[in-house]
Order: sequence, then structure tokens, then C-alpha cells
Amino acid sequence: KAGVTQTPRYLIKTRGQQVTLSCSPISGHRSVSWYQQTPGQGLQFLFEYFSETQRNKGNFPGRFSGRQFSNSRSEMNVSTLELGDSALYLCASSLGGAISGNTIYFGEGSWLTVV
Amino acid sequence: QKEVEQNSGPLSVPEGAIASLNCTYSDRGSQSFFWYRQYSGKSPELIMSIYSNGDKEDGRFTAQLNKASQYVSLLIRDSQPSDSATYLCAVNQGAQKLVFGQGTRLTINP
Repeated sequence: KAGVTQTPRYLIKTRGQQVTLSCSPISGHRSVSWYQQTPGQGLQFLFEYFSETQRNKGNFPGRFSGRQFSNSRSEMNVSTLELGDSALYLCASSLGGAISGNTIYFGEGSWLTVV
Repeated sequence: QKEVEQNSGPLSVPEGAIASLNCTYSDRGSQSFFWYRQYSGKSPELIMSIYSNGDKEDGRFTAQLNKASQYVSLLIRDSQPSDSATYLCAVNQGAQKLVFGQGTRLTINP
């Protein structure tokens, strides 16, 4: 069974640009969530989608957005990139049916460097 | 007060000994708790999940949960050098939202 797949794995962007990251969840999983990991702030929740609807959102500015497609695949977008957006962006998937309790599995992550 | 707190370490344990990792959380209504292991440059890997008070054992790993004390721990028996990693405690706060501690860096010394 394939795991959570994220693309691209590594990318370098310039300040002010935008970036789109893609995530394919584990087959059968309907919940996709996104996290940002930095050395200073650790792992922080960005948002979660279930059946194409955003159910929860973390404390990030509106430059960070996401969406989920009917096949459960998800994308996240960061506009007007800042140096501080350099981070490992992790996608995670779960069955998502219950409000809590489903095991959450992470993808390999997308390493974003903003220069 | 942080929502999930862990001792950042580093925690150094000799090979073959028991490593004990601790975590406290602030939301008394939390129901689901997870331990993830993260090697440097890699993504978090699920080690254990626990939902009920008491102990849960899986191989060399034992998770302990005490909801009254809002405390979760992970014991690693017969520690191996390959266990050297950062261990992340996570609490599910609903709608698949995990809140993580800062992680404890564990080093197993041969």
C-alpha cells in the first residue's frame, strides 16, 4: 500500500513568488492535513481537509491556502513568499471519519527554501 | 503555557538501557495521543498511539497515559543506537489536528 506522496520534494523560490505543493493521501484516506516544520517553531498545523471541505485551520496568515479535490488529493499554496516561509512542509493523511482518534500518517515532506 | 510540552533534551542513554520520554498537555478534553519518531532530515514516523489510561505495549515500546495528570510517556526498552532520533509527542485536538511538542532529542550511546 503506497504511503502519502508529496511533490516536489525540494524547491527553491525567490521572495515574493508563490509556490504550490501537492499531496496524494494513502488510498482510502479522505482527510488530508498540512503542517509546517521549522527549527524555531517546530511542527505547526496549517489546515485540514475532509471531503473537499476545510474543517480546521491553524494560526497562519491568509497567504497560506489549500484545497482538496474529489479524489482526496490536496494542494497547498503559499503566495508572496517570505524568507521565514523556508521550512519542511508535511502532508498527512488519515481515514478522517471521526473527529479524532484516526491515526495520522505523514508524507516525506517538501523542503522549501526561500531566497 | 504551551499546549504540549516535552523536555527538549538532549537525552543520552546507554545502549541496552531504558529510555524514558515524557510529555504533558494542557487540554483536559484531549482524547488521542501519539508518539512519532523523526530522524534528521526525515518526516515523522508513527511509533505509538494511545487513547485510554494505562499502558500500551508494542515490542520494545510502551506508551503510558494518565489523563488525570495530563501526562503521556514513552518507554523504550533495550535501547539501540538506531533509536537515536527526535521523539515528538502529539495530541489530537479534533478534526485531525495534531498539536506537537517541541520534541526530545534522544541519543543512544554504544
